[in-house]
Amino acid sequence: DSGVTQTPKHLITATGQRVTLRCSPRSGDLSVYWYQQSLDQGLQFLIQYYNGEERAKGNILERFSAQQFPDLHSELNLSSLELGDSALYFCASSVVYDTGELFFGEGSRLTVL
Amino acid sequence: DQQVKQNSPSLSVQEGRISILNCDYTNSMFDYFLWYKKYPAEGPTFLISISSIKDKNEDGRFTVFLNKSAKHLSLHIVPSQPGDSAVYFCAAKGVNFGNEKLTFGTGTRLTIIP
Repeated sequence: DSGVTQTPKHLITATGQRVTLRCSPRSGDLSVYWYQQSLDQGLQFLIQYYNGEERAKGNILERFSAQQFPDLHSELNLSSLELGDSALYFCASSVVYDTGELFFGEGSRLTVL
Repeated sequence: DQQVKQNSPSLSVQEGRISILNCDYTNSMFDYFLWYKKYPAEGPTFLISISSIKDKNEDGRFTVFLNKSAKHLSLHIVPSQPGDSAVYFCAAKGVNFGNEKLTFGTGTRLTIIP
């Protein structure tokens, strides 16, 4: 158990819809990262938050947005969903300024039909 | 522009033998390199890391080697065990402030044959 909690674990929805994925980081970790893993692909960095502020942005589509709340949990919002958005979405947390070790949740599997 | 590459999608190794997983990178602005292991239906878990100022780091059966001139790192697992069967991701951490994210390779699926 990494200490990072993601909900929901599985989600099936239709094209054009909007979903919200939720992440609770490990206790004490201020930094939250979101990654996307499509079929047979590596983990693609989407966005990082540190203590409520956006810190780094990767290949995140404009239809996607995220935020980190005062209690440090984070949400990833995916809108106008397309078939190609079907993927595993991982949240990870860490202590910043360290060796780079991230603690990952079990992921949220999104299926867009 | 894939900055971290794992060119072998899969690898099969006999139990008890050495497993060698390889990774290449193109960006010199990384200060740590890491290996993560992933089982099905689970998130990746940290395995071992190496600082860019070192060329070897060992932890039990796992050793990571870094060749900066070749921009290449490898993970050695000796001896390989059936529980080592998983997908292994190589990752690199950016050195710049505000760029601490990890850049991952596409993974190598390791199968240990009993």
